[in-house]
Amino acid sequence: NAGVTQTPKFQVLKTGQSMTLQCAQDMNHNSMYWYRQDPGMGLRLIYYSASEGTTDKGEVPNGYNVSRLNKREFSLRLESAAPSQTSVYFCASNGGNTEAFFGQGTRLTVV
Amino acid sequence: EDQVTQSPEALRLQEGESSSLNCSYTVSGLRGLFWYRQDPGKGPEFLFTLYSAGEEKEKERLKATLTKKESFLHITAPKPEDSATYLCAVQAGGTYKYIFGTGTRLKVLA
Repeated sequence: NAGVTQTPKFQVLKTGQSMTLQCAQDMNHNSMYWYRQDPGMGLRLIYYSASEGTTDKGEVPNGYNVSRLNKREFSLRLESAAPSQTSVYFCASNGGNTEAFFGQGTRLTVV
Repeated sequence: EDQVTQSPEALRLQEGESSSLNCSYTVSGLRGLFWYRQDPGKGPEFLFTLYSAGEEKEKERLKATLTKKESFLHITAPKPEDSATYLCAVQAGGTYKYIFGTGTRLKVLA
């Protein structure tokens, strides 16, 4: 049972480049989340999807787009990367009124 | 506004020296309060869920408690392998979002 799988694990982008972070869960969870983690800022919610077919903005959505491709997959896209988007990105999922399970993270550097 | 504040930011303990981490929260209708452990370079790992004031959960050297305004993570006789960042999160009623505190970095010295 893999849980929540994120790809890639590491990425370096140049300013202005685009990329998509992939996330898949195999726990049949309805809700999925994208967070970013920066030193001293904690985990901040970018977007979430309460169920297949729905997405909502979190605390810091600017510069990002998401797609809930199906129940298993939730991708995060940076259309034009900026140095301020250098961070560690975590995907998570949960099955209801319970704890969230996290992936191992994607470490993104924008130069 | 829903908010979570953790203290202290960092804590150094000698092996065997018990202590407590604090998580204060303001939320409109608590669905659940969650404690996670995060090791460097890893994703947060779930520890406990607490749903109502007065509830307690235990796991090995860790015990989590909940009141109407805060939660404590008590660490009894810690070992060096307990060194990690401990994160607290709340889920408010009527929402699927988790709101995290900034964490407490715990270092246990042998």
